[in-house]
Amino acid sequence: AQTVTQSQPEMSVQEAETVTLSCTYDTSENNYYLFWYKQPPSRQMILVIRQEAYKQQNATENRFSVNFQKAAKSFSLKISDSQLGDTAMYFCAFMKHSRDNDMRFGAGTRLTVKP
Amino acid sequence: NAGVTQTPKFQVLKTGQSMTLQCAQDMNHEYMSWYRQDPGMGLRLIHYSVGAGITDQGEVPNGYNVSRSTTEDFPLRLLSAAPSQTSVYFCASSYSPQGRGEAFFGQGTRLTVV
Repeated sequence: AQTVTQSQPEMSVQEAETVTLSCTYDTSENNYYLFWYKQPPSRQMILVIRQEAYKQQNATENRFSVNFQKAAKSFSLKISDSQLGDTAMYFCAFMKHSRDNDMRFGAGTRLTVKP
Repeated sequence: NAGVTQTPKFQVLKTGQSMTLQCAQDMNHEYMSWYRQDPGMGLRLIHYSVGAGITDQGEVPNGYNVSRSTTEDFPLRLLSAAPSQTSVYFCASSYSPQGRGEAFFGQGTRLTVV
């Protein structure tokens, strides 16, 4: 079974600075997808960024980028120019390349952006 | 568009009671899923459906039933509520398996079983 580990339960960063959230996963699959989801206090789950394992290029979405290291099974999220609105829980998630809908989540990292 | 709508938003049940959590989407998505979120554990998949009439078990299916009679609706039934089922429940939908298409989540149902 696939497992996802987020080793940082809580992190904080000053507004406008950069922070990196860590995620590692365990799988024997070669084709899969990785995600970072944001959950603000409203409880809504919001997709931040997605990476397809067969793509070597790291995904970027505006201030959000990932460092995908397939051999090391590592998938970290970098948030640049942190904003107060980035305060949220962040979940790393894994899904193998198959027809089923089985997405596995890490336990989450609570990020606080300080003014 | 309403997206994914879950009802109710909050519910308190007594041990042994049954209830149905409703989930509806208006995006004509084939794929729908139910997750539960517990403190310190992230989201865990309960059941999922790849289309009308097709459902399957996820990681933590015990104590829950689902059905998918229409593309739009995917209700989750608690057969006999237990305190261990106290959690926040999320429904999600996507036009393809979530790896290939973005999953849209409802706003969650906070369920307390006393």
